[in-house]
Amino acid sequence: QLQLQESGPGLVKPSETLSLTCTVSGDSISSSSYYWGWIRQPPGKGLEWIGSVYYSGSTYYNPSLKSRVTISVDTSKTQFSLKLSSVTAADTAVYYCARGGYYYFYLDVWGEGATVAVSS
Amino acid sequence: EIVLTQSPGTLSLSPGERATLSCRASQSVSSSYLAWYQQKPGQAPRLLIYGTSTRATGIPDRFSGSGAGTDFTLTISRLEPEDFAVYYCQQYVSSPFTFGPGTKVDIK
Repeated sequence: QLQLQESGPGLVKPSETLSLTCTVSGDSISSSSYYWGWIRQPPGKGLEWIGSVYYSGSTYYNPSLKSRVTISVDTSKTQFSLKLSSVTAADTAVYYCARGGYYYFYLDVWGEGATVAVSS
Repeated sequence: EIVLTQSPGTLSLSPGERATLSCRASQSVSSSYLAWYQQKPGQAPRLLIYGTSTRATGIPDRFSGSGAGTDFTLTISRLEPEDFAVYYCQQYVSSPFTFGPGTKVDIK
């Protein structure tokens, strides 16, 4: 059974870089059928798609965050990662990793989420 | 960017009642590219419906989706206690993939 687990620091200082990793278990991250994505949810608010990565390393990002986001994949470790630079308090959120289809990007498997606060 | 609007913001109903949730898109969305999720407090969202009307694995048949163009609907035929949650629609026809603001279904 596929499982995703986010990991990373729960507290990041303003202007620094937020880094999170999602570990995939129970299935191959190298499947040609899926993209792997990051989604975030600020406290008490809705969901925002951040970006996605294919096992080949191909990526696409939300234009609203594109200048600050890097998503990468390490198939040998069955992990994919998120880096968000120059963070502010507005980046405080629960960050989820999830699996999406290659042709139809609905998100069928989610991690439990990682809470990240931006504060000095 | 396709903007999704959901209504109502909150729906107050009793167990056993029928819930009808609306999702409207700012431009036409092919029916293959609209999904619904359920989220309970402190939990990750769970996929309910994709392709407008196809239930995800393990989703009971009291959940159904319909719609076309810019107007989509999630219907819960008879609310069970575990159905009280927030529901989001999502379009994945074009990047950036966007979610609606959510409809909260709470107990009346």
